[in-house]
Amino acid sequence: GEDVEQSLFLSVREGDSSVINCTYTDSSSTYLYWYKQEPGAGLQLLTYIFSNMDMKQDQRLTVLLNKKDKHLSLRIADTQTGDSAIYFCAESGAAGNKLTFGGGTRVLVKP
Amino acid sequence: DTEVTQTPKHLVMGMTNKKSLKCEQHMGHRAMYWYKQKAKKPPELMFVYSYEKLSINESVPSRFSPECPNSSLLNLHLHALQPEDSALYLCASSQGWTGGSLVDFGPGTRLLVL
Repeated sequence: GEDVEQSLFLSVREGDSSVINCTYTDSSSTYLYWYKQEPGAGLQLLTYIFSNMDMKQDQRLTVLLNKKDKHLSLRIADTQTGDSAIYFCAESGAAGNKLTFGGGTRVLVKP
Repeated sequence: DTEVTQTPKHLVMGMTNKKSLKCEQHMGHRAMYWYKQKAKKPPELMFVYSYEKLSINESVPSRFSPECPNSSLLNLHLHALQPEDSALYLCASSQGWTGGSLVDFGPGTRLLVL
């Protein structure tokens, strides 16, 4: 079945760039997503990328997709304390919109 | 802010209670979902409704009963829950089930079963 993996934890200094990595196994993925979850809150869709793209930039966020290696990354430029949260990558396949989530990466931004 | 709304935000219930979670979207989406998220874990799919019909039930116990009264509303009826059912219940919607479309999540209902 599909599998999505992420590293558990990332610590970064305020003002630096953060890079969160994700690998997936389903070669038929159509959308790849990044969601942000703050403590006690729901999931906020941060950005997404179609599987036929290799890069997408949206203000401070840059998504890179290496389809050959099935590797997705999210770069947050000029990381702020408000960026401290859990970040989930997720993919949906061609068969339907069932999202398969990674385990989440907890990002801690230190002042 | 998300355009998927959920009520209530928090719910505490005993194991003999019957309660319902409600979800609403007015984006014209025809697929709606219930996910369950335990603490420090990713969300797990429970049910999918497509065009108001139940498409997927991920082997969820019958003490959880979904209902889709119309294309904008999705309910989750709860009865005889167990303490291990305590979790964040997330509703989501997308334009359709097949063909790939963005999935929007609501803020969730945090459920505590005593």
